[in-house]
Amino acid sequence: KNQVEQSPQSLIILEGKNCTLQCNYTVSPFSNLRWYKQDTGRGPVSLTIMTFSENTKSNGRYTATLDADTKQSSLHITASQLSDSASYICVVSRGGTGGGNKLTFGTGTQLKVEL
Amino acid sequence: DTAVSQTPKYLVTQMGNDKSIKCEQNLGHDTMYWYKQDSKKFLKIMFSYNNKELIINETVPNRFSPKSPDKAHLNLHINSLELGDSAVYFCASSQGRSGSTTQYFGPGTRLLVL
Repeated sequence: KNQVEQSPQSLIILEGKNCTLQCNYTVSPFSNLRWYKQDTGRGPVSLTIMTFSENTKSNGRYTATLDADTKQSSLHITASQLSDSASYICVVSRGGTGGGNKLTFGTGTQLKVEL
Repeated sequence: DTAVSQTPKYLVTQMGNDKSIKCEQNLGHDTMYWYKQDSKKFLKIMFSYNNKELIINETVPNRFSPKSPDKAHLNLHINSLELGDSAVYFCASSQGRSGSTTQYFGPGTRLLVL
């Protein structure tokens, strides 16, 4: 069964600290992996997209890694800010024939950054 | 400068009613989607249209019927609303139908069925 699991479910850190969010998946065949940030009451916003051949990608203070062999990804946030408080969602796209977008969403990690 | 817009933002209605949610994108994209996010924040794709053609139709009750009058619009009509339909519905768009393009999401429509 194609699944995406994220950990931890929730996380509280102090402003300025770093943190790492984890994503494990069983989706096959793999096409790409995305990280989204969803602020409360808003739609998800794309942070990174990584294909099979990419093992790291950065977007400002966000750095995503991908290990396609172990089917794991992480999202590292550096020098956290209050505005980083949000839900971070890992999404894996399934490849193969048939067209269309076969996306499997994780349930997200709820991050809260405090003073 | 709104990229993907949805109306209404909030929708409260009685069980059994029929309602529609509208979505418009001004990004020039050719693919649009409808997602449902339940109370546990789990996002699940419902439909996807590419150039007004239905390309993804997940296991969704027949009471849900998408309509794409043109590439920039994808509306969702729901008949005979049920309590379990209460959720946040997100519209999204992307350029191309492959899974490697960035999807841009709207702000969501919060539907509450009483």
